[in-house]
Amino acid sequence: DGGITQSPKYLFRKEGQNVTLSCEQNLNHDAMYWYRQDPGQGLRLIYYSQIVNDFQKGDIAEGYSVSREKKESFPLTVTSAQKNPTAFYLCASSIPGAPSSPLHFGNGTRLTVT
Amino acid sequence: GEDVEQSLFLSVREGDSSVINCTYTDSSSTYLYWYKQEPGAGLQLLTYIFSNMDMKQDQRLTVLLNKKDKHLSLRIADTQTGDSAIYFCADGSSGGYNKLIFGAGTRLAVHP
Repeated sequence: DGGITQSPKYLFRKEGQNVTLSCEQNLNHDAMYWYRQDPGQGLRLIYYSQIVNDFQKGDIAEGYSVSREKKESFPLTVTSAQKNPTAFYLCASSIPGAPSSPLHFGNGTRLTVT
Repeated sequence: GEDVEQSLFLSVREGDSSVINCTYTDSSSTYLYWYKQEPGAGLQLLTYIFSNMDMKQDQRLTVLLNKKDKHLSLRIADTQTGDSAIYFCADGSSGGYNKLIFGAGTRLAVHP
């Protein structure tokens, strides 16, 4: 079955360490996204990529970095510069520029930094 | 910037109808979406409506759009315990990618 796989489901890190969240899709979608979810808030866009080797900052990109070397993969690195990294991170993919094409989401990674 | 607002919590009795409301500010919205999130999971698209439509029905789900008031609602008929989840309204622009603006989500609790 096609879908998006995020790993790991839970991640614990010490403050000051960089951490990379994995996102892989086999839907053959060109566009991929990273969102952050905090309790009582909507999803906020961190980074998005419409094609391989290209990505753009979203609304809250500071303290994060991404790469898009393969169509299937869009890893997110949470750096030590991110002031408040504890959150639920969601990866999504879609056919770009097609408003009727929904975002397909992975099951998320819950990151806890202490 | 553009914004989407939802009430945070709704409690209904099993078998009753649920109505979840949403308001948005973007005048250029082309599609409006409803997503469902179950505990510890990602979001699942429930339904969407094109901005030139007033209503869309899909089995137990009815979406109403009042474009003049920028108000969107999701009605779930015969609400079941399996409908307990967080429901997100999202506003889509006509940009080159699916830049959705999400509301904070409405937590629906269904009790016997």
